Amino acid sequence: DSGVTQTPKHLITATGQRVTLRCSPRSGDLSVYWYQQSLDQGLQFLIQYYNGEERAKGNILERFSAQQFPDLHSELNLSSLELGDSALYFCASSPTLHAETQYFGPGTRLLVL
Amino acid sequence: QQQVKQSPQSLIVQKGGISIINCAYENTAFDYFPWYQQFPGKGPALLIAIRPDVSEKKEGRFTISFNKSAKQFSLHIMDSQPGDSATYFCAAQAAGNKLTFGGGTRVLVKP
Repeated sequence: DSGVTQTPKHLITATGQRVTLRCSPRSGDLSVYWYQQSLDQGLQFLIQYYNGEERAKGNILERFSAQQFPDLHSELNLSSLELGDSALYFCASSPTLHAETQYFGPGTRLLVL
Repeated sequence: QQQVKQSPQSLIVQKGGISIINCAYENTAFDYFPWYQQFPGKGPALLIAIRPDVSEKKEGRFTISFNKSAKQFSLHIMDSQPGDSATYFCAAQAAGNKLTFGGGTRVLVKP
């Protein structure tokens, strides 16, 4: 168990809808990363937050947004969902801004029908 | 643009055999190369990692070989066990920033 928790584990929704994925980092970790894992794209970095501020952006669509709250938990918001957004979404955390080791949560499996 | 290329996509090895997974990278700014292991239904977990000033690192049955001039690195799993059956991802990182992952290799160890 990495100490990173993600909810929900599974999510089924329809195209056009909006969902929110939640992540609680390991105790004491200030950095949160979001990754998308799909069959054709592998593991892709989406975005990083550090102590409440956005610090790095990857291949994140404009329909997606994230935030990190004062208690350091993070939420990833996915809107106007498309079939192609079906994937596993992982959150990872690390103690500092530039940490080598990232600890991954169990993921949220999103299915868009 | 795939900055880290991983091969093979899958491999089957007999129990006790050697599993070899190869990765190649393009960005010379990468300075940290971890391997992650992922079991079905779980998130990736750090297995072993290496920095480019070292040519080889061994932890138990897992060994990373690193060739800086060729910009290649590989994972060797010695004496493969059924419990090693998982998906393995190589990754690369520059200055502690985001991880860039390879495409993954699904390893099946047959008893």
